[in-house]
Amino acid sequence: QQQVKQSPQSLIVQKGGISIINCAYENTAFDYFPWYQQFPGKGPALLIAIRPDVSEKKEGRFTISFNKSAKQFSLHIMDSQPGDSATYFCAASPSGTYKYIFGTGTRLKVLA
Amino acid sequence: SAVISQKPSRDICQRGTSLTIQCQVDSQVTMMFWYRQQPGQSLTLIATANQGSEATYESGFVIDKFPISRPNLTFSTLTVSNMSPEDSSIYLCSVVGGWNTEAFFGQGTRLTVV
Repeated sequence: QQQVKQSPQSLIVQKGGISIINCAYENTAFDYFPWYQQFPGKGPALLIAIRPDVSEKKEGRFTISFNKSAKQFSLHIMDSQPGDSATYFCAASPSGTYKYIFGTGTRLKVLA
Repeated sequence: SAVISQKPSRDICQRGTSLTIQCQVDSQVTMMFWYRQQPGQSLTLIATANQGSEATYESGFVIDKFPISRPNLTFSTLTVSNMSPEDSSIYLCSVVGGWNTEAFFGQGTRLTVV
């Protein structure tokens, strides 16, 4: 019940295309859902986050779509660029804990 | 956001020895955590570092193996004790400030046990 399932494991997208990564959870106590980007040799960096009272949040080329009833959320990267090539992690945090449960990660490669 | 400095950035250690990793934040933060990221894997929470008291460990992690200190609001250490090759991982410090629930991560300490 504490797991966050993430797919796909890897993704190859052409430059200018849309990258879509999906996550699903079971625990209804989760109330904060961030996405992190990690480059090799670096710590994860926060990209964008959403709470369950919002169905969509957009920041630049990055959009989170959230479906509370289905317990699913996804990251869309519009106009994907080679510089977006990295590993992306979704996460979920139970209310009031500030602890994060991470998904298994998606390795994105954007071809030039 | 917070600036987080972790030391060392990497180390190669002999099995049976211990390594202490330091995490320094440039501002006072509410929460400090330690995560482990095994090679090519996701991040797993080890423990919450509590200021002035014993850390709170997640299932599968124990104080004897991963003693943690947090003497003040800006500094914490994680020790990996009696290391074995299975401890080879990246260890990451994470902080949450009082301003919101966003968590920021250090660059990590890449540990190799031989």
